[in-house]
Amino acid sequence: GNSVTQMEGPVTLSEEAFLTINCTYTATGYPSLFWYVQYPGEGLQLLLKATKADDKGSNKGFEATYRKETTSFHLEKGSVQVSDSAVYFCAWGAQKLVFGQGTRLTINP
Amino acid sequence: GAVVSQHPSWVICKSGTSVKIECRSLDFQATTMFWYRQFPKQSLMLMATSNEGSKATYEQGVEKDKFLINHASLTLSTLTVTSAHPEDSSFYICSARDGESGLREQYFGPGTRLTVT
Repeated sequence: GNSVTQMEGPVTLSEEAFLTINCTYTATGYPSLFWYVQYPGEGLQLLLKATKADDKGSNKGFEATYRKETTSFHLEKGSVQVSDSAVYFCAWGAQKLVFGQGTRLTINP
Repeated sequence: GAVVSQHPSWVICKSGTSVKIECRSLDFQATTMFWYRQFPKQSLMLMATSNEGSKATYEQGVEKDKFLINHASLTLSTLTVTSAHPEDSSFYICSARDGESGLREQYFGPGTRLTVT
């Protein structure tokens, strides 16, 4: 069935470290792919998206590339900050969104 | 732009009572709204999709008589948890899709935490 698998957390890094959160999906067709972020006590916010193969979504220093051949959409950031501490959700969809289980990221100063 | 609000942000109710949660799109018309449930440290599970002026479409395993959804206008959808029980305690999140722009992303509300005692 359709699903999204994310790297299990929690993930703890030091400030300025390189971040990768893996995401792979199983879907029919070529859905749009998304990364959402949920800061403590807040709702989900769209971080970035890609609508077709080889597209790269980017925002706030985060990037993710839609890889059709590996059905992946890994999230990366070159130098994380304490303010990036949040839960990150990978999702795919067209009419409806299918979410991964979320990855809790903590950045220590 | 694209702000979605929910009310209340948290609610405590007694077992057997009903509680209504509102979801509003503040600066756009939402032809489609979605209701999700999020358990602690888990992902969002889609409960139902509601289109303005029509009946909601519920996901498999979601009791439509227990979770009543009304999408009476292009800016308001409500979720009523009827005869609530402790196992209904959860974080309920709505999202809305801008009907005019045709964009595919959903805009999420801040969520409502329901605790049933």
